Amino acid sequence: GQQLNQSPQSMFIQEGEDVSMNCTSSSIFNTWLWYKQDPGEGPVLLIALYKAGELTSNGRLTAQFGITRKDSFLNISASIPSDVGIYFCAGQADSWGKLQFGAGTQVVVTP
Amino acid sequence: KAGVTQTPRYLIKTRGQQVTLSCSPISGHRSVSWYQQTPGQGLQFLFEYFSETQRNKGNFPGRFSGRQFSNSRSEMNVSTLELGDSALYLCASSWQVNTEAFFGQGTRLTVV
Repeated sequence: GQQLNQSPQSMFIQEGEDVSMNCTSSSIFNTWLWYKQDPGEGPVLLIALYKAGELTSNGRLTAQFGITRKDSFLNISASIPSDVGIYFCAGQADSWGKLQFGAGTQVVVTP
Repeated sequence: KAGVTQTPRYLIKTRGQQVTLSCSPISGHRSVSWYQQTPGQGLQFLFEYFSETQRNKGNFPGRFSGRQFSNSRSEMNVSTLELGDSALYLCASSWQVNTEAFFGQGTRLTVV
């Protein structure tokens, strides 16, 4: 089963608001990845993090690799309708370990 | 550079049949992973191949199998299909094992 806890499970926000979600793990990870999935499509990689404390931005998205190496955060600023989708975190404990995925955060943006 | 290509996109099979899904990774990527995605279970890891060798395996029954060819293309096979096998099957490729994995669009399998 999954060892990543991703929260919240879903978010209903108004256009223009900021969004925050996070993932926590029971074990230390060396890599954190954040993906977005649109209905009927495969997940698309948004941000990759490789170092504890690392803060990386991709447009209006910002993600951080927690200093304990057991958590990561994703923020979306000034949300727009196309931000709708399911956001997944994924972590990897070592170079040869499998990626573990969170259960996803469903984001719904209302005008 | 072309992305990960999965074929077919949609498939309908009946219980008891077997099915083979195909995945062509991004050029230069040697690692291919397979996932099953269902509404209730999220993304479940099936297996991962690197240079034609299975490196990791998830907790799925032996009816689920895979292989990787010398050109890094991969196939997964499900035998004796069950209704519960209906899902979106996703393939992801990466240069090294499970680092910055890039997903294909998936194959939607429906078992009736």
